[in-house]
Amino acid sequence: DAGVIQSPRHEVTEMGQEVTLRCKPISGHNSLFWYRQTMMRGLELLIYFNNNVPIDDSGMPEDRFSAKMPNASFSTLKIQPSEPRDSAVYFCATRPTSGRKSGGELFFGEGSRLTVL
Amino acid sequence: KQEVTQIPAALSVPEGENLVLNCSFTDSAIYNLQWFRQDPGKGLTSLLLIQSSQREQTSGRLNASLDKSSGRSTLYIAASQPGDSATYLCAVGSGTYKYIFGTGTRLKVLA
Repeated sequence: DAGVIQSPRHEVTEMGQEVTLRCKPISGHNSLFWYRQTMMRGLELLIYFNNNVPIDDSGMPEDRFSAKMPNASFSTLKIQPSEPRDSAVYFCATRPTSGRKSGGELFFGEGSRLTVL
Repeated sequence: KQEVTQIPAALSVPEGENLVLNCSFTDSAIYNLQWFRQDPGKGLTSLLLIQSSQREQTSGRLNASLDKSSGRSTLYIAASQPGDSATYLCAVGSGTYKYIFGTGTRLKVLA
């Protein structure tokens, strides 16, 4: 299995530009998470999808952030317009089970490092 | 509110030492606890997952224990190697999808 695949690995853009980050989950994993990692705040949950449906987007910082999961094989995180404070590493993670107390193992992608100038 | 603490923040040891990394959490009502390794510029690699009903898990030179009553988990690394150098994070599963991450312990194993 190729694992969770994220693209691009690195993105440098100018303030005000639109940024789209992509994630391909592990086949069969029905839970998908978008996290943001910064030195100051560590790992923060942005949004959680279960069976392609957004369940919790309370971590999305502002209306400039949006996420979609049109099918079980693909998710996007979009920032429009981007700002310098959005600079961070954005991770996609997936899990094979959903909502069970025994909860499955989280698998992370390699991340997308975003720099907004 | 669940809080997760990892102490020490950084650790440097000579090759071959056995070492213990600590993870503490404030609310014992957890679903599971997962240990990860993160290399610089890379994603998080899952090492061990302990369910709330379990006391420990082992994989190779790694052993993780869980004591919910005391709010602690430890990751034991036997016979450390320079390749073990990385940041180790624990994540506490506090709900069906809520994972609270510690800030990590940065480990350096000296050759």
